[in-house]
Amino acid sequence: RKEVEQDPGPFNVPEGATVAFNCTYSNSASQSFFWYRQDCRKEPKLLMSVYSSGNEDGRFTAQLNRASQYISLLIRDSKLSDSATYLCAVNLNNDMRFGAGTRLTVKP
Amino acid sequence: ETGVTQTPRHLVMGMTNKKSLKCEQHLGHNAMYWYKQSAKKPLELMFVYNFKEQTENNSVPSRFSPECPNSSHLFLHLHTLQPEDSALYLCASSQTRAEMDTQYFGPGTRLTVL
Repeated sequence: RKEVEQDPGPFNVPEGATVAFNCTYSNSASQSFFWYRQDCRKEPKLLMSVYSSGNEDGRFTAQLNRASQYISLLIRDSKLSDSATYLCAVNLNNDMRFGAGTRLTVKP
Repeated sequence: ETGVTQTPRHLVMGMTNKKSLKCEQHLGHNAMYWYKQSAKKPLELMFVYNFKEQTENNSVPSRFSPECPNSSHLFLHLHTLQPEDSALYLCASSQTRAEMDTQYFGPGTRLTVL
């Protein structure tokens, strides 16, 4: 089993749609969790950390489910500019493990 | 944004060439990292430097040789690479190794090995 696993997509959605991605992790002792955004041919940039209680930043909501060992990212009211690859990352004892990313394309 | 810079941004090299990738961070960080990102694969951590000392080498072939002359600069020396080494090479930095979860990435060097 991969340490961090994501559906590669692509997810093709119309503008205004709500889309959700999941990311599963294999080590139950993992301590902190993150979502990164990576535009084509650019570096990953931190989108948001994921807290146990869930957190929201504008149109973006991140959730953590420790029992089932997954994190999720929900994007509401998708914009064309949300088109990117979304990477999840899991930290265990300062060892960061990344997923391969989920590709999202938002279409007019 | 100029927090972490990398040069060159693109590099094409033959298998017998020797080249170097450069990374510089202007954030006052003490930890620096090299990652490899191949298409449709997760980022692979290659090397870690903390206060100029190499602390981790994640089973990277010896044809990749890192160098960290000071806390602001990191190099990756390349020689006799293979076509499968073609990838995006990302440099990152964080305050210290213990704060790896708040690392900042550079724009990467896209390497093609012919």
